[in-house]
Amino acid sequence: EIVLTQSPGTLSLSPGERATLSCRASQSVTSNYLAWYQQKPGQAPRLLIYGASSRATGIPDRFSGSGSGTDFTLTISRLEPEDFAVYYCQQYGSSPRTFGQGTKVEIK
Amino acid sequence: QVQLVQSGSELKKPGASVKVSCKASGYTFSSYGITWVRQAPGQGLEWMGWINTNTGNPTYAQGFTGRFVFSLDTSVSTAYLQINSLKAEDTAVYYCARGWQWPFDYWGQGTLVTVSS
Repeated sequence: EIVLTQSPGTLSLSPGERATLSCRASQSVTSNYLAWYQQKPGQAPRLLIYGASSRATGIPDRFSGSGSGTDFTLTISRLEPEDFAVYYCQQYGSSPRTFGQGTKVEIK
Repeated sequence: QVQLVQSGSELKKPGASVKVSCKASGYTFSSYGITWVRQAPGQGLEWMGWINTNTGNPTYAQGFTGRFVFSLDTSVSTAYLQINSLKAEDTAVYYCARGWQWPFDYWGQGTLVTVSS
């Protein structure tokens, strides 16, 4: 099973700042099949990024993903008020599918 | 448009069973698997497994074997999650999501199952 470790656990930033979230895998993710999801309180997760760097339909270009192998990054270039949420990485290259434990981006 | 609509919240006693539904619309049901994800209160996302909507074959993640049952009614494009012999630690929001092989691109709104005496 691939274990995904996200850091930091919480990121305290102000609107307009840049957010950098990390996701490290315990072994190489097949074909960089790594996704990022955003979850707001009381809502279902929303797919942001797939294939490590491709934005899902309708996702603003301030969200970008990068990385390969075992190290992946989600960057939010300039935080908007609606971006404060919890973010999860997930690998879909091998079974079982696994999620990271999440990074909370909170308003400073 | 693609939608997954889940059944409403449930309050059950320990030892009872619950069946959560996930009705799909806006796409060909048999073209995508359905995944189930659990989120305990204040916790992260946990992949429970998935069901092949072509064959009906379920795959369960470790920790979700025995009491958890995935099923389908393809005539109404609906997937089901049944949990038997409920325990307090089954209290969680359960999500269905479209996909298995690829990322989970559409999600149901979630169903809160509360187990309490």
